[in-house]
Amino acid sequence: GAGVSQSPSNKVTEKGKDVELRCDPISGHTALYWYRQSLGQGLEFLIYFQGNSAPDKSGLPSDRFSAERTGGSVSTLTIQRTQQEDSAVYLCASSLDGTSAIGEQYFGPGTRLTVT
Amino acid sequence: AQSVTQPDIHITVSEGASLELRCNYSYGATPYLFWYVQSPGQGLQLLLKYFSGDTLVQGIKGFEAEFKRSQSSFNLRKPSVHWSDAAEYFCVVGAWAQKLVFGQGTRLTINP
Repeated sequence: GAGVSQSPSNKVTEKGKDVELRCDPISGHTALYWYRQSLGQGLEFLIYFQGNSAPDKSGLPSDRFSAERTGGSVSTLTIQRTQQEDSAVYLCASSLDGTSAIGEQYFGPGTRLTVT
Repeated sequence: AQSVTQPDIHITVSEGASLELRCNYSYGATPYLFWYVQSPGQGLQLLLKYFSGDTLVQGIKGFEAEFKRSQSSFNLRKPSVHWSDAAEYFCVVGAWAQKLVFGQGTRLTINP
């Protein structure tokens, strides 16, 4: 079956521009997660959705970052006024149910963001 | 706060040799522990997981890991590595609100 998909796979943007990253989770998965992987910081949690709600936004690095999820499916991570330190690979994951015991998270291939 | 330490940034082993990747965690309660692998150009793939029960868990691709509460460790092992095992390996602890806390990763190189 189809896995988690992310688009675009690569994005190059100029400093100060806004970008939108998209994630399509596995069909039927109610929980969705965003992570960031960068050379200096390793892999870090950004935000988690259960359905369309985000109970935990603690990982968002600044108010330039926001995310939404609609229809319990597709999610968009938006970075406003991008900075060079935002350059990283942004990973999305989904799991069947995020409300109980921690279930297996299935990761997408990531979006590589380069801010010039 | 939850944390994971992988002491070895890079390990090189010969093909056919045994492998052990070290992982130590810090967590206040019974941890949920995972090992993920990331191959070049590939997404993260779950190798194995520990939630409770038997402390020796078997995973895919011939990997196993042993949970030792007294040592706060969850080391990954494989009896005989293959060239295709070259990748980055992440030890992960499941924290509150289902967010995963990743170790810094261990890059594995296989010598022919």
